[in-house]
Amino acid sequence: GDSVTQTEGQVTVSESKSLIINCTYSATSIGYPNLFWYVRYPGEGLQLLLKVITAGQKGSSRGFEATYNKEATSFHLQKASVQESDSAVYYCALSLTSGGNYKPTFGKGTSLVVHP
Amino acid sequence: NSKVIQTPRYLVKGQGQKAKMRCIPEKGHPVVFWYQQNKNNEFKFLINFQNQEVLQQIDMTEKRFSAECPSNSPCSLEIQSSEAGDSALYLCASSPSGSGNTLYFGEGSRLIVV
Repeated sequence: GDSVTQTEGQVTVSESKSLIINCTYSATSIGYPNLFWYVRYPGEGLQLLLKVITAGQKGSSRGFEATYNKEATSFHLQKASVQESDSAVYYCALSLTSGGNYKPTFGKGTSLVVHP
Repeated sequence: NSKVIQTPRYLVKGQGQKAKMRCIPEKGHPVVFWYQQNKNNEFKFLINFQNQEVLQQIDMTEKRFSAECPSNSPCSLEIQSSEAGDSALYLCASSPSGSGNTLYFGEGSRLIVV
C-alpha cells in the first residue's frame, strides 16, 4: 500500500536557524500523487500548510517550502529562518488522484521545537 | 480556526460502553473522512463518505465501529462497546472532492477508555 515516512519524531532548532524536515513516500498507483504538508499548532486543529500537485514543482507558505521530487520520492519541508511561533507538529501526506482510492495517507509527524 | 465542527472534544468511557462522536463538515464539502490517531501519532483511516454514501471503509470486522452521514444531520462515528485500545484522537475531515484534494480537519474528539 501507500506510505509516508518522516524519519524524525522531533526536531529542535534555535530561533533564526534553518530547518529541514524529511519526508519520503511510496505510492502504488499509476501516475503521481498530490503531496501535502499539514501542521498542528498547539491548541489548534490540523490545517494545510502547503500542497504540490505537479512533480518537480515547489510549494511555499509562511516562509516554508517543499519541492516535489519524483525521482527521490521525497517532499522535504524547509525554512531558512525559523521563529518560535513555528513550534508545532508537521505532517507529510499524500493523496492519490486516480484509481478510486480516496483516502489520504499521513506520516507520523515531526514535532518542531524552536528555542528563543 | 476549524470550520469543521467536532463534538464532544473529550469523551471518557468505561470498557464496554458506547462512545459516539459527531462531525459537521465544512459547508459545501460533500466528502467526509474519519481517521483515528493513536498515541504514536499514527493515522488510521476508518471510513469516508460522499454525501450519504460510503466510499471506502476499513474492514470493521469487529463490528464495533459504525458511522453514518445522513442528509441534513451531523455525521457520526459510534463505537458500540469501547475497549482500552480504542483510546485515541478521532479526527473528522471534509473535502470538496474525493480525489487528491485538501482535507479540512476538525479539532478532533479525544476518547479515553478507562
